[in-house]
Amino acid sequence: DADVTQTPRNRITKTGKRIMLECSQTKGHDRMYWYRQDPGLGLRLIYYSFDVKDINKGEISDGYSVSRQAQAKFSLSLESAIPNQTALYFCATSDPGRNEQFFGPGTRLTVL
Amino acid sequence: DAKTTQPTSMDCAEGRAANLPCNHSTISGNEYVYWYRQIHSQGPQYIIHGLKNNETNEMASLIITEDRKSSTLILPHATLRDTAVYYCIPRGGGGSNYKLTFGKGTLLTVNP
Repeated sequence: DADVTQTPRNRITKTGKRIMLECSQTKGHDRMYWYRQDPGLGLRLIYYSFDVKDINKGEISDGYSVSRQAQAKFSLSLESAIPNQTALYFCATSDPGRNEQFFGPGTRLTVL
Repeated sequence: DAKTTQPTSMDCAEGRAANLPCNHSTISGNEYVYWYRQIHSQGPQYIIHGLKNNETNEMASLIITEDRKSSTLILPHATLRDTAVYYCIPRGGGGSNYKLTFGKGTLLTVNP
C-alpha cells in the first residue's frame, strides 16, 4: 500500500465551485505539505504543517485553505475555484529528523 | 536560497552511466545539495543529498566539487525507467529547514 495517498486522483470542476483535495499518510510523519505544479514548471509550495496545531502559508497560498484534521490527514480546499488553479497538486510528508520529503501520486485538477 | 543552473535536457544510452550536472555557485556554507527526480506526472522521488563529501546510495552517486559551486549526480547504469526530470535543490540543513524550491530541472531521456 502507498505511504502517501491522495484523493481524488482526477477532478474536473467549474469556476466558482468549492473543491477539497485530501491527503492521507501512513508514514507517521509530523510534517505535511501541499504543492502545485503547472505544465513545464517545478513544484511550488502552497501550505505546510509541522504538526496538527501548526499551519503555515507557502509561496502561493492565495485562493487556498487547508485543514490538518489529524497527524495523518491534511486537506487542501479551493473555496471558489478559478481556471488558473488548473494544475497538478501534490501532497508530501517528512520527518523533522530527516530532510527527505515523500510525495503522493498527485491530483490532476481541471477548472473549467 | 541558492540559484541553480541545470541543462534543460540530456540523453543517455541504456546501460551507460548518466552524469547530470548542476551549477550552484551561490550556495551558502550550511546548504546541502539535494537531488529529486520526477517520472512523468508522478510525485517527485528523493534520490540523494550531500554537503561537502561525495555520497553514494543504492540509487546514485553524488559528486560535489571542493568549492561546492557545482555537483554531478551519477546514475551508474541507466535504465529506461530512469527517464525523468531531475532536480538539483540546495537546501539548509537541520530539521527546521523544510523548504524545497524546485526549478525546471533536467529531462533525462534514456534510450534503448
